[in-house]
Amino acid sequence: GQSLEQPSEVTAVEGAIVQINCTYQTSGFYGLSWYQQHDGGAPTFLSYNALDGLEETGRFSSFLSRSDSYGYLLLQELQMKDSASYFCAVALNDYKLSFGAGTTVTVRA
Amino acid sequence: EAQVTQNPRYLITVTGKKLTVTCSQNMNHEYMSWYRQDPGLGLRQIYYSMNVEVTDKGDVPEGYKVSRKEKRNFPLILESPSPNQTSLYFCASSSSGTLISLNTEAFFGQGTRLTVV
Repeated sequence: GQSLEQPSEVTAVEGAIVQINCTYQTSGFYGLSWYQQHDGGAPTFLSYNALDGLEETGRFSSFLSRSDSYGYLLLQELQMKDSASYFCAVALNDYKLSFGAGTTVTVRA
Repeated sequence: EAQVTQNPRYLITVTGKKLTVTCSQNMNHEYMSWYRQDPGLGLRQIYYSMNVEVTDKGDVPEGYKVSRKEKRNFPLILESPSPNQTSLYFCASSSSGTLISLNTEAFFGQGTRLTVV
């Protein structure tokens, strides 16, 4: 089976920085994606890392270390609208995505 | 507007009564997939389709069927629903052809909240 571990909850104040870690043990690995979901709505794509290193997209950055089977999502300058669930997902092959259980981020004023 | 449309959004049904959840995308995507989401378990893949008439099982296919007769539609069929299929269901699509485009971004529908009593 596939195993993706991420913290269940994180709380931080507006303007802070939050790092959500994701460690994985999977039968295949093509890349690591991150998705955001508000209140059970449609998950939306945030980032994808196929190679080691840091990818930056505005206030969000994602990092991957394939040798450590580890990645993280970094949320900077937190805003209230960033309160949501965040999922890491491993692309096992061309067609299969395996998701972590999700991290609920709560941003406080 | 690029979108994935699921219907219905909410459904309460009784055990054993066949139902179909429809999914349609307007992006000419080759790849489509169904997921279910349960508390504490994240999203788990039920079935996926690489193209018309090509489908395969995901991680939790038991109790579900799918078909892909047209590129834009990928219905999820529950022949005999049971209470353990009470869940939030998502359909997703993405372009195919290369690994990068496939896994760079998947577009999700708004979800179908199904309750089986």
